Formats: sequence, C-alpha cells, structure tokens
Amino acid sequence: KQEVTQIPAALSVPEGENLVLNCSFTDSAIYNLQWFRQDPGKGLTSLLLIQSSQREQTSGRLNASLDKSSGRSTLYIAASQPGDSATYLCAVITGYNSGGSNYKLTFGKGTLLTVNP
Amino acid sequence: NAGVTQTPKFRILKIGQSMTLQCTQDMNHNYMYWYRQDPGMGLKLIYYSVGAGITDKGEVPNGYNVSRSTTEDFPLRLELAAPSQTSVYFCASSYLTVNQPQHFGDGTRLSIL
Repeated sequence: KQEVTQIPAALSVPEGENLVLNCSFTDSAIYNLQWFRQDPGKGLTSLLLIQSSQREQTSGRLNASLDKSSGRSTLYIAASQPGDSATYLCAVITGYNSGGSNYKLTFGKGTLLTVNP
Repeated sequence: NAGVTQTPKFRILKIGQSMTLQCTQDMNHNYMYWYRQDPGMGLKLIYYSVGAGITDKGEVPNGYNVSRSTTEDFPLRLELAAPSQTSVYFCASSYLTVNQPQHFGDGTRLSIL
C-alpha cells in the first residue's frame, strides 16, 4: 500500500528565507508526483507536476525534485514571502493503466508553512 | 472560464437523509474526481471518471454513488447520510491523461448531525 509522508508537519520562517519541504513515498512505481498548495477554506492549486521520467520541474521561485528510486521529492521555495503561507501537499499516482482503471492517487497530510513578515 | 464549480458550499444533513453534491467544469476535461478531506487525514479519493459514461471506485467509495452522463458534470450522491461522512468534499478535473495537473473546486463542507 502506497504511503506518503511529509516532513515537517509545520514550518515557520522569516520572510526572505529559502526553504525545503520534504515528501517521501513507499512504492517507487509511480506515474507522477504533484505538489499542491491549499489556502484556508479553499481547494487545491497545482504547483508542479513531475513525471516519473523527470528529475525536476521549476516554476518561478519553486523547484521540485524527484528521486524515484529512493522514494523522495523536495519542494524548494526561494526567497519566501508572506503570500507563500499555506499548506503544501504532495501526491503520487500509482497503478494507473491505459484503460483508466486501477487509478490510485495518494496524498500526504501536508506541511503548514507560515512566512512571517 | 469558471474552472471547477461545486455546489453547495455548505450543508448540514440529518442522519439518514440523502443529498447530491454537484460538480461541473467548463474546461472540457476528460477526467474528473471526487475526494474527501478529513482533519489530519489528508485527501482520499472516493470515485473518479475518465469520460462520460465511465466511472470507477477510488479508495473510499462506500456510502457514495456517482454518475457521469456529460463531460461537464460529475455529481456525487449520498444515499443514507452517516456521521462518518462529515467532511470537506472536493471535486477536481484534469485534461486527457493522468500526466496533467488536476484543477480543484473550492469544496463543499458537509456536516451530518
């Protein structure tokens, strides 16, 4: 059974710091890994998607890496801002086949990030 | 584009009542999903659909039903509401294949009393 763990559960940093959020998964046979952001009372917003054949993806101040063999991913946020405060979740897809069945998407419980002005 | 729209935003039900959570998307996405999010438990997949007329169970389907008669709509039905179904429900969609990011609605907060 796929399990996704995110460390730390909560993180508080001063504005301007670079920071790293961690995600680990137990089954390395994944199709992709996604990082999401969730603001209080809102749905999830997709930040980055890394396919299993890729090593990293970048978008602005965000960089996500994937080491499938070791079951790890990191989300790097450069020069953090108060607007980055949110819960960050990672999720992996396993078991998918071309017919669309056996789809399994497993989320971690998230890291609550607070960036202080 | 409105994206993924969920209605209602909030609802309180009594045990044993039934209701339908509505979800519609205007992005012509093939894939649609229903999740529930419980405090401290992360999101869990209830049902998903890869296209009109095709649905499949996710991790926690018991107590729920879905249908997908059109590309745009993917309603979630609770037939006999139970306190264990108190949760926040999210609908999401993605385009064409599993290697596309999912777009989420803002959720329906459901309490069963």
